[in-house]
Amino acid sequence: ETGVTQSPTHLIKTRGQQVTLRCSSQSGHNTVSWYQQALGQGPQFIFQYYREEENGRGNFPPRFSGLQFPNYSSELNVNALELDDSALYLCASSSRLGLAADTQYFGPGTRLTVL
Amino acid sequence: DAKTTQPPSMDCAEGRAANLPCNHSTISGNEYVYWYRQIHSQGPQYIIHGLKNNETNEMASLIITEDRKSSTLILPHATLRDTAVYYCIVRVRNRDDKIIFGKGTRLHILP
Repeated sequence: ETGVTQSPTHLIKTRGQQVTLRCSSQSGHNTVSWYQQALGQGPQFIFQYYREEENGRGNFPPRFSGLQFPNYSSELNVNALELDDSALYLCASSSRLGLAADTQYFGPGTRLTVL
Repeated sequence: DAKTTQPPSMDCAEGRAANLPCNHSTISGNEYVYWYRQIHSQGPQYIIHGLKNNETNEMASLIITEDRKSSTLILPHATLRDTAVYYCIVRVRNRDDKIIFGKGTRLHILP
C-alpha cells in the first residue's frame, strides 16, 4: 500500500507567475484536502475535493484552485503568485462514503518559494 | 480558531514516557480527539484518535478524561526521533472536511 505522494518537493517561482502542485492519494482513498503551512504556523485548510468536485473551502482567494481526477489524484493551482504564498503546501487523503469522512493522512509536502 | 489548548513546549528525557496534555473544554459529544505530529518540514503524521475510551496503538496511548474536557497523549518510551510538534485536534470524524490546527506543543527529547 503506497502512502500520499506529492510533487515537486521544492519549487521556486517569481511574483505573478502561476504554479501547479500535484498529489497522489493513498491507495483506497477517494478524497483529497489541501493545506498551506507558513513558516512557524500550523497548517491552514485551503479546500477539499471529493468526486472530482470542490467539497469545502477555507479562507483563500479564488486564485487558489484545484482539480481532482478520476483516479483521485489532485492538483492545486495558484495564479498570480504573491510573496506571501511562500509556504509548505500539504496534501492529505482520506476515505469518504457519502457524508462520512475518515482520518486524513498527509503527504510530505511541496515547499514553494516565491521571489 | 482551534478548539484546543496545548502548552507551547515540553522537554522529556530519552527513554522516559512523554505525557502531552491537551485541553478541549468545549468539545461536543460527537467530536473526536485526534493527535498528529510534525517533524521539522515534513507532513503531519497521524498518531491516534479517540472519542470517549482510552486508546492505544503501536505509537502511543490516548487518555481522555471522563468529562472529555481534556486528554493526554503518552509516548511510552521517548526517543530522539520523537522530537516534533504535536497537534491535538477535535473534529467530527465523519463530517468535518477540514482539520483546524492550533499551535501545538513542541516536544524536545533530551539525550
